Amino acid sequence: AQSVTQPDIHITVSEGASLELRCNYSYGATPYLFWYVQSPGQGLQLLLKYFSGDTLVQGIKGFEAEFKRSQSSFNLRKPSVHWSDAAEYFCAVGARGTGFQKLVFGTGTRLLVSP
Amino acid sequence: ETGVTQSPTHLIKTRGQQVTLRCSSQSGHNTVSWYQQALGQGPQFIFQYYREEENGRGNFPPRFSGLQFPNYSSELNVNALELDDSALYLCASSLTAGGPTGELFFGEGSRLTVL
Repeated sequence: AQSVTQPDIHITVSEGASLELRCNYSYGATPYLFWYVQSPGQGLQLLLKYFSGDTLVQGIKGFEAEFKRSQSSFNLRKPSVHWSDAAEYFCAVGARGTGFQKLVFGTGTRLLVSP
Repeated sequence: ETGVTQSPTHLIKTRGQQVTLRCSSQSGHNTVSWYQQALGQGPQFIFQYYREEENGRGNFPPRFSGLQFPNYSSELNVNALELDDSALYLCASSLTAGGPTGELFFGEGSRLTVL
């Protein structure tokens, strides 16, 4: 069975600084990988996804993520953080064969943005 | 385009009671998935419905059940409520069951408190 680890529970970044959120997954084959964002009182919004092909994936709101098979990682990055990026970020993995609806999520990383 | 809507947004029940949560999928989406998000945790997959049939289930007991209707809307029913059932219940819709063809669109959730 697949699993996801997000080692950072909280991260504080200054506005304008760069951001990297870590995600490590466990799965026997090439997985489907996702990053979702959740603002307070809101549902989850998809930032980006990796299915195959180019390992550097571009998403919405200026986010990108890189799939590194050798490290079983899918870290999320943004070159310059805005105050509106403060939210909870979830990495998720889906198993090939069961589709992308049955996702396993990490426990999330809460991003705080300081002025 | 109408997004995923869930009702009620908040509700309080007592142990042993039963609850029904409702979800209207995004227009044109034929697959609905339900997730449970406990406080401080990532969402956990409960089950998925496609063409009015359960099509995948996570590690949840049978007292968690669901329905999908011809218009693709869905219900989540939980019987014999336990304190640990207190959580945010998220509904997500998508266009097809299985296959890397799209993304999940989440509603804002129904927050259930069991006393």
